[in-house]
Amino acid sequence: NAGVTQTPKFRVLKTGQSMTLLCAQDMNHEYMYWYRQDPGMGLRLIHYSVGEGTTAKGEVPDGYNVSRLKKQNFLLGLESAAPSQTSVYFCASSYLSGLLNTEAFFGQGTRLTVV
Amino acid sequence: QQQVKQSPQSLIVQKGGISIINCAYENTAFDYFPWYQQFPGKGPALLIAIRPDVSEKKEGRFTISFNKSAKQFSLHIMDSQPGDSATYFCAAGETSGSRLTFGEGTQLTVNP
Repeated sequence: NAGVTQTPKFRVLKTGQSMTLLCAQDMNHEYMYWYRQDPGMGLRLIHYSVGEGTTAKGEVPDGYNVSRLKKQNFLLGLESAAPSQTSVYFCASSYLSGLLNTEAFFGQGTRLTVV
Repeated sequence: QQQVKQSPQSLIVQKGGISIINCAYENTAFDYFPWYQQFPGKGPALLIAIRPDVSEKKEGRFTISFNKSAKQFSLHIMDSQPGDSATYFCAAGETSGSRLTFGEGTQLTVNP
C-alpha cells in the first residue's frame, strides 16, 4: 500500500533546464494537487486536478505546467527552471465523500534546487 | 494574499505543557478546517479536522477550538511530548470544494 509516491526525491537543476516531477497514487482518488513549501510561507497550491484529463491553476501557477493523462498520475513540469523555483514540492491526493471534503494524503516531497 | 494567517511561527514548550497554535481566516465560505502535522523529511499528515457545526473537537490530547463569529480556530495540544515536535499547519476549505488554503506553519519544539 504505497499511497502517494513522488519521483525523484532530490534534484539539482541549472537555470534554464527543464524537468518533470511525477506523482503516482494508488488510492483511486479523484483529486490531485501540487504544492510548494517554502520557509515561512506554508504550503502554496501550484496546480490541481479534479479528475482524469482536467487541470486547474492554484495560487502560484506561473512557470509550471501539469498534466493528468491517467487518473493515478499527476505530472508537474518546469519548462525553464529559475532559482525562485528552488523549493520542496509536495503532491497530494484526496476524494470527495458525498459533498464532504476529505483528508488529503501527501507524498514524501521532492527537494529541488535550481542553481 | 494569505487567506489563512497562522501564529506563532515557532513555539517552544516544556514536556507536559500545553501548546496552543492559532489561525484566522478571511473567506466566510470556508467550512472545513483541518490541521496537518509534518515531521522533518516527511509529507504533512492529517491530525484532526473540524466543521463549523461544532465549536470544539477533541481527539486524545489534541483539541480544535472554533470561533465562527471571530473567524478563528486553534489547536491545543495537552500534556505536550517530545514526540509532538513537528511543524503544524492549519488549513481551510469549502466542504464541497476541492481546494485547501494552508497557513504559514508553526514549528513546535517540546523540550524533555
